[in-house]
Amino acid sequence: SAVISQKPSRDICQRGTSLTIQCQVDSQVTMMFWYRQQPGQSLTLIATANQGSEATYESGFVIDKFPISRPNLTFSTLTVSNMSPEDSSIYLCSVSMGQHYEQYFGPGTRLTVT
Amino acid sequence: KQEVTQIPAALSVPEGENLVLNCSFTDSAIYNLQWFRQDPGKGLTSLLLIQSSQREQTSGRLNASLDKSSGRSTLYIAASQPGDSATYLCAVRRMNYGGSQGNLIFGKGTKLSVKP
Repeated sequence: SAVISQKPSRDICQRGTSLTIQCQVDSQVTMMFWYRQQPGQSLTLIATANQGSEATYESGFVIDKFPISRPNLTFSTLTVSNMSPEDSSIYLCSVSMGQHYEQYFGPGTRLTVT
Repeated sequence: KQEVTQIPAALSVPEGENLVLNCSFTDSAIYNLQWFRQDPGKGLTSLLLIQSSQREQTSGRLNASLDKSSGRSTLYIAASQPGDSATYLCAVRRMNYGGSQGNLIFGKGTKLSVKP
């Protein structure tokens, strides 16, 4: 299994600013995933981050809005840029591990944009 | 396109009752299926993972079944307790062309409330 921590756990931000979310995993993993959960909705994959290469973004998400860094095999950051109230969500970091690709999630970062 | 549906959206039961949560998916070409629990404002906790070749998995009071041909999975919770109150999410991992694993597709979840 994997233990995943995220910082900050929550934040309230002004419109037009940016927030960087950090994700730390207790073991080395090839791929890290970033999800968004909007109020009352299920999880949507934003992007997949591989160490040493550019992140792969899902349809509807772009690098300029959600830049991702992956400097090593245990750490990643997601930045939410030029925020608007529509970006208010829970952002979750995730990894898959083991031969059966079991998915594990961090505790999430609750973002409110005013 | 894979779609995952969970019924019911919400469920309230008295403590001690056995209950079943349902998950259906539209494309049977899956790599595996995973059930999660999410407490309010928190991340997801993995409960059970079923490989596409398996029919069921058990962990304590939880039992998950998979019928790939009909596109269905159920999560059975025995002797429910107030501490089981949470949202339960079903997620299907697609199988890509060539048999490799794809990304997880989530349902919207079932919000369970167990009354003392």
